[in-house]
Amino acid sequence: SYVLTQPPSVSVAPGKTARITCGGNNIGFKSVHWYQQKPGQAPVLVIYDESDRPSGIPERFSGSNSVNTATLTISRVEAGDEADYYCQVWDSSSDHWVFGGGTKLTVL
Amino acid sequence: QVQLQESGPGLVKPSETLSLTCAVSGYSISSGYSWGWIRQPPGEGLEWIGSISHSGSTDYNPSLKSRVTISVDTSKNQFSLKLSSVTAADTAVYYCARDGGSSRGFDYWGQGTLVTVSS
Repeated sequence: SYVLTQPPSVSVAPGKTARITCGGNNIGFKSVHWYQQKPGQAPVLVIYDESDRPSGIPERFSGSNSVNTATLTISRVEAGDEADYYCQVWDSSSDHWVFGGGTKLTVL
Repeated sequence: QVQLQESGPGLVKPSETLSLTCAVSGYSISSGYSWGWIRQPPGEGLEWIGSISHSGSTDYNPSLKSRVTISVDTSKNQFSLKLSSVTAADTAVYYCARDGGSSRGFDYWGQGTLVTVSS
């Protein structure tokens, strides 16, 4: 089955840029979605279809996708961005959704 | 504004069937989209359980397919999850969400409900 690989943790200083990667075989050909989950809360969709932002998501959040790695970029990181982030794709070969293992973003 | 709310027992005995319902407001299920269930064991990541379309067609996680049934009741604007033969490994927060399809992801989520499997 399709596997998505994320780093367990990423740390960044306030005001800097955080990049969270999501690796998968030929993920560049798939539509990638990203979720933010704060402790005790439900996940929130922050990027869909690789680089689109839902209404209400700050422009500081952006996404890109290339060959075998998708990336969520958070610019001008704030303390409130500290959360777990998950990538997701639809595996059309077996008709099911796949989530990455999640990355904990720590704001130093 | 689309809102989803999970309901069901918070404690289920091993070998029994876990049953949850997701009530949808602010959008008519019969109008379109698919509707999904996702779970998260304590301290772990997200796991998709399955999704159902407004017309009733289903897709399930292969690892759970033999134990899962998802159904939809358009008259009540809700959909349901049944997971049979549960064990302690099924202890998790269970979320329902609107499934926008392969190009849109899950755009609206319920708050989640903790289900503990224990005797």
